[in-house]
Amino acid sequence: DTGVSQDPRHKITKRGQNVTFRCDPISEHNRLYWYRQTLGQGPEFLTYFQNEAQLEKSRLLSDRFSAERPKGSFSTLEIQRTEQGDSAMYLCADTGGNSGNTIYFGEGSWLTVV
Amino acid sequence: AQRVTQPEKLLSVFKGAPVELKCNYSYSGSPELFWYVQYSRQRLQLLLRHISRESIKGFTADLNKGETSFHLKKPFAQEEDSAMYYCALKGRGGSEKLVFGKGTKLTVNP
Repeated sequence: DTGVSQDPRHKITKRGQNVTFRCDPISEHNRLYWYRQTLGQGPEFLTYFQNEAQLEKSRLLSDRFSAERPKGSFSTLEIQRTEQGDSAMYLCADTGGNSGNTIYFGEGSWLTVV
Repeated sequence: AQRVTQPEKLLSVFKGAPVELKCNYSYSGSPELFWYVQYSRQRLQLLLRHISRESIKGFTADLNKGETSFHLKKPFAQEEDSAMYYCALKGRGGSEKLVFGKGTKLTVNP
């Protein structure tokens, strides 16, 4: 599978711990997005990057959340001091190297905070 | 405010029957509308977008600005159409954010 790759696929952590998710996009130097999805809901936008610049952030992205894309290639999403409400699927997506509007999603990283 | 409403959480039809998945949106302007699909154990993928005016896997969707709707239709459902379907909206104000509905789970029975 040569699509967007996310790691880890599943993470169980204790409340208060920090977690980090990694996303490897299809190609570099394009738009890269983070979304969050909870059970019974559609994906909710968190943030997006154009190359290494973080251009838009949702209000959902509290100060415990930080996303980076240091070289315009892979991206990380860190959640500090996790809370049970952070339990969700974290989805990464990118535009796959084209300049169009098609967004390709990864398989997601499942976070369970216990 | 941008909002997408999919009124049906679950939709069940028989193979060969027509299917319509409803999507209504709220946006003060002319948005871009999309349908995404997620088959069992697969990643979310784009099904179609309104600007392309295309038919994918027999599905079509027409943007009705008067009714602010973008319903997804297929005249003859197939079992392999069983999946979660999400309607999504992107505004035209420069934001790259996609706003998704809560999704409709379609089951096509044999």
